[in-house]
Amino acid sequence: DTGVSQDPRHKITKRGQNVTFRCDPISEHNRLYWYRQTLGQGPEFLTYFQNEAQLEKSRLLSDRFSAERPKGSFSTLEIQRTEQGDSAMYLCASRRDGGDSPLHFGNGTRLTVT
Amino acid sequence: AQKITQTQPGMFVQEKEAVTLDCTYDTSDPSYGLFWYKQPSSGEMIFLIYQGSYDQQNATEGRYSLNFQKARKSANLVISASQLGDSAMYFCAMRPNFGNEKLTFGTGTRLTIIP
Repeated sequence: DTGVSQDPRHKITKRGQNVTFRCDPISEHNRLYWYRQTLGQGPEFLTYFQNEAQLEKSRLLSDRFSAERPKGSFSTLEIQRTEQGDSAMYLCASRRDGGDSPLHFGNGTRLTVT
Repeated sequence: AQKITQTQPGMFVQEKEAVTLDCTYDTSDPSYGLFWYKQPSSGEMIFLIYQGSYDQQNATEGRYSLNFQKARKSANLVISASQLGDSAMYFCAMRPNFGNEKLTFGTGTRLTIIP
């Protein structure tokens, strides 16, 4: 169990640029989640994958956001035409199938849009 | 929809004392799970403890215990014998057992342990 890995740890970008984040879940965890956390708040759900299928999307996930998990292993989150309001910590989590298993989170990617 | 309320934005506790972090929740789901996570200044979210809504006994994990009062819709975290390393943000969260995978978090409590 090597933990959930996220890359990069930090990203600074100019408004209007596109950014992509990567998440490698714990191996054999078939459920993968993306959350966003702004300063002083708890994480907010963005989207969820079971294997390669994206099964839930939050209304927070505007058309500029897209997430993929093409082979049911790693996932990417892309933000197009970034805005200053996109500045946040983006957290990835995974868990094994079903029941009451908890989410295991990565260290997050901190995005700053200037 | 689920809602988590954590009314204590910050708490200061003397080292070695016990501390209770409050959490109340609201849900219409008949079956759900309650979670507590710790987030140190480094940013990672660390799972601490889980309580199922139908569990008869309060959950315990080492120095952590969950004071679950279903009728009051509260799920307070108790940390016994606090240590300096317990200083962090603490988040209460819940997830329905059926229907969706969304884990809903509260706004957190910042705990500071005083030596």
